[in-house]
Amino acid sequence: DVKVTQSSRYLVKRTGEKVFLECVQDMDHENMFWYRQDPGLGLRLIYFSYDVKMKEKGDIPEGYSVSREKKERFSLILESASTNQTSMYLCASSLWGKSYTFGSGTRLTVV
Amino acid sequence: ELKVEQNPLFLSMQEGKNYTIYCNYSTTSDRLYWYRQDPGKSLESLFVLLSNGAVKQEGRLMASLDTKARLSTLHITAAVHDLSATYFCAVDRPRNQFYFGTGTSLTVIP
Repeated sequence: DVKVTQSSRYLVKRTGEKVFLECVQDMDHENMFWYRQDPGLGLRLIYFSYDVKMKEKGDIPEGYSVSREKKERFSLILESASTNQTSMYLCASSLWGKSYTFGSGTRLTVV
Repeated sequence: ELKVEQNPLFLSMQEGKNYTIYCNYSTTSDRLYWYRQDPGKSLESLFVLLSNGAVKQEGRLMASLDTKARLSTLHITAAVHDLSATYFCAVDRPRNQFYFGTGTSLTVIP
């Protein structure tokens, strides 16, 4: 069964901390994505990657960065966490033109 | 600016009834996806609609796509409690970036 694994289900971090959210997929997908999900706003694309060491900004990249050193792993980095980054973060992967497979999500609370 | 609008945002319906969720989008796209999300869980792919006139059915759910009207529908037939969830449509932008609607929260009551 195909899988996208997010390392943490719940995280609580302090304002100003550097936060790493990890995502690993075992399907050899080229494409990987990070979304955040907030009530009333749906899912919004933060960053995406089509290949190793390649990244592109999505719709709301401010305050975030990403890293893709290996094909199967895509990390989201909050350089200096703020309370407005409290959210559910969803990682997804796909082959070109195919539906996404989502991870189970990381609920991040910044206090 | 691309917009993907779902309505209704909240839907409470009785078991056994029929209803339709609408997904309107503002850009040209031949691909549209429907996902289901259970409370506290991630998104699960339901349907992939790849061309104008596409219709897909799974159990009590049927999805259709009209690319000329920029409209997709998710029709629920004879609702049961197990269908209670949030349903999202997503439009495929260039380069496989999906743009999601805000979701429709469906509650099926006895």
